[in-house]
Amino acid sequence: NAGVTQTPKFRILKIGQSMTLQCAQDMNHNYMYWYRQDPGMGLKLIYYSVGAGITDKGEVPNGYNVSRSTTEDFPLRLELAAPSQTSVYFCASSFEGQPNTEAFFGQGTRLTVV
Amino acid sequence: QQQVKQSPQSLIVQKGGISIINCAYENTAFDYFPWYQQFPGKGPALLIAIRPDVSEKKEGRFTISFNKSAKQFSLHIMDSQPGDSATYFCAASMTGTASKLTFGTGTRLQVTL
Repeated sequence: NAGVTQTPKFRILKIGQSMTLQCAQDMNHNYMYWYRQDPGMGLKLIYYSVGAGITDKGEVPNGYNVSRSTTEDFPLRLELAAPSQTSVYFCASSFEGQPNTEAFFGQGTRLTVV
Repeated sequence: QQQVKQSPQSLIVQKGGISIINCAYENTAFDYFPWYQQFPGKGPALLIAIRPDVSEKKEGRFTISFNKSAKQFSLHIMDSQPGDSATYFCAASMTGTASKLTFGTGTRLQVTL
């Protein structure tokens, strides 16, 4: 039972490069999320999706894009990497859009932009 | 604007002691308050959660106390163990918002022998 799988686990990017962080879940969850975690700041929501073909911005969406073509996959795209995007990125999913539903997190992608 | 404030930032407790982490929220529309536990190199995992219609929830050594009028909630870890050493996040969400979580800033707990 894989749960939420994120790839890669680590990545170093140069300023201006682009990359896609991959996220896949095998729990048939309809809701998926991308958070970033910075030291002392907790987790901030970047984008979320309530189902295939539907995405919306979270608290800190600038510099990122997402797509949701299938229920299983929710990739996060960085087009022009900036040092401010150095962070640990977590993908999460939940089964229903009710507040008493557990969110399951992946193990994270640690991204450094130099 | 931080909607969920968490304290302390770090905490050192001796084995067998009680660990207490506090959170306060601003938005009275929040109606679900989970606590997540995160070990180094891992993603957060749900530890325990409460809804505002109850004042306390206990699961094993972990208890959430909830004070709706004060807009505060806290996590108590009884008989703290070295294996409890982790970062703890409080969070909040509200009905009708796709279960989006607003997190506190985290508390790094170290339980010493």
